[in-house]
Amino acid sequence: AQKVTQAQTEISVVEKEDVTLDCVYETRDTTYYLFWYKQPPSGELVFLIRRNSFDEQNEISGRYSWNFQKSTSSFNFTITASQVVDSAVYFCALSGRQGAQKLVFGQGTRLTINP
Amino acid sequence: EPEVTQTPSHQVTQMGQEVILRCVPISNHLYFYWYRQILGQKVEFLVSFYNNEISEKSEIFDDQFSVERPDGSNFTLKIRSTKLEDSAMYFCASGGSDYPPSQYFGPGTRLTVL
Repeated sequence: AQKVTQAQTEISVVEKEDVTLDCVYETRDTTYYLFWYKQPPSGELVFLIRRNSFDEQNEISGRYSWNFQKSTSSFNFTITASQVVDSAVYFCALSGRQGAQKLVFGQGTRLTINP
Repeated sequence: EPEVTQTPSHQVTQMGQEVILRCVPISNHLYFYWYRQILGQKVEFLVSFYNNEISEKSEIFDDQFSVERPDGSNFTLKIRSTKLEDSAMYFCASGGSDYPPSQYFGPGTRLTVL
């Protein structure tokens, strides 16, 4: 069975600090896909990134970066120079390779950026 | 930019009543999904739909639930006889321009069962 664990329930930092959100996953699939979604206070789910299991290159997009380490089954998300607008719940998710493939979500990490 | 839309944004119903939640996926997408999120909890998969049939469903998706794509644009979730525990945010998602599809979510419908 697939499982995603986000051990950090809540994180609170001061604006401009860097913050890393942890994600650890379990799967028996040899090919799988990892995702991060942002859920702002308005409630919608915003797609941030998708990563394939065979591509362990880290990715940077502006202030966001993702560190994928297959050896530790982790897919961590770092926000550099955080801003108040980054305040949201962040979900890590996993899907397999076959068919329409459901997303299995972690419990989410509530990130609060204080001014 | 194309987006998934859902109506209504909030639905209040009495226990035992039928509700239909509506979604308009992104137009060239082929895969459609429903998820739900009970307040303060994680997002849970309900059902996926491809090629006009259910491709996978979770144990939550029992006989009280059904999905339909009645025309080329809408995707609906019906709950036949709502229970208190069905109160949740219901998200529709669609995907299809890549494989496996990256899923793009609608804004959600908050269902409150009284």
